[in-house]
Amino acid sequence: DAKTTQPPSMDCAEGRAANLPCNHSTISGNEYVYWYRQIHSQGPQYIIHGLKNNETNEMASLIITEDRKSSTLILPHATLRDTAVYYCIVRVSSGGGADGLTFGKGTHLIIQP
Amino acid sequence: GAVVSQHPSRVICKSGTSVKIECRSLDFQATTMFWYRQFPKQSLMLMATSNEGSKATYEQGVEKDKFLINHASLTLSTLTVTSAHPEDSSFYICSASGTTYGYTFGSGTRLTVV
Repeated sequence: DAKTTQPPSMDCAEGRAANLPCNHSTISGNEYVYWYRQIHSQGPQYIIHGLKNNETNEMASLIITEDRKSSTLILPHATLRDTAVYYCIVRVSSGGGADGLTFGKGTHLIIQP
Repeated sequence: GAVVSQHPSRVICKSGTSVKIECRSLDFQATTMFWYRQFPKQSLMLMATSNEGSKATYEQGVEKDKFLINHASLTLSTLTVTSAHPEDSSFYICSASGTTYGYTFGSGTRLTVV
């Protein structure tokens, strides 16, 4: 799986949009971009994933650049409960597979009241 | 949505004893389950992959005789930490593969060995 690079931490004001960047310059054509988050002392939670088109669900939006070398996760109206470590993961396959996920260090997003 | 239940959420055991952690997929069948370990302020590290009805595959550096994994059914995998020592104290998390968008994680087990 391709390597990803994320800033170690970010702050965002409550109610504002949180934009979390991820670089994945070595991504292959068949690799998807996944985002998970981990709230303190809990298991990771799936947020969203995409291949090349922008995606949106009830939790977030995923913007993938045209060259697919980077992406941005957008939480449109951040709340205090969005404080967590956010992991950007690149992997082949859009579904579950036989291989576990490789977690980097992620971005610790802190929502400020 | 897909739910993975992990128990216990927290356990304290004496050094030298064994501890079993259960991971259940509640509303889907998981042919493959994964076990991760997370030390404080670090990321999740994959320990092993278990497939229903077969032996688990362990990552390099993980002792298979110490971390016993059983995946006897499509909805249950267990991790037993044998002869636990204080350095085994960690946050253990299971994950199941079998949903349309990939992996669902349990809520984790905080193991403290005293």
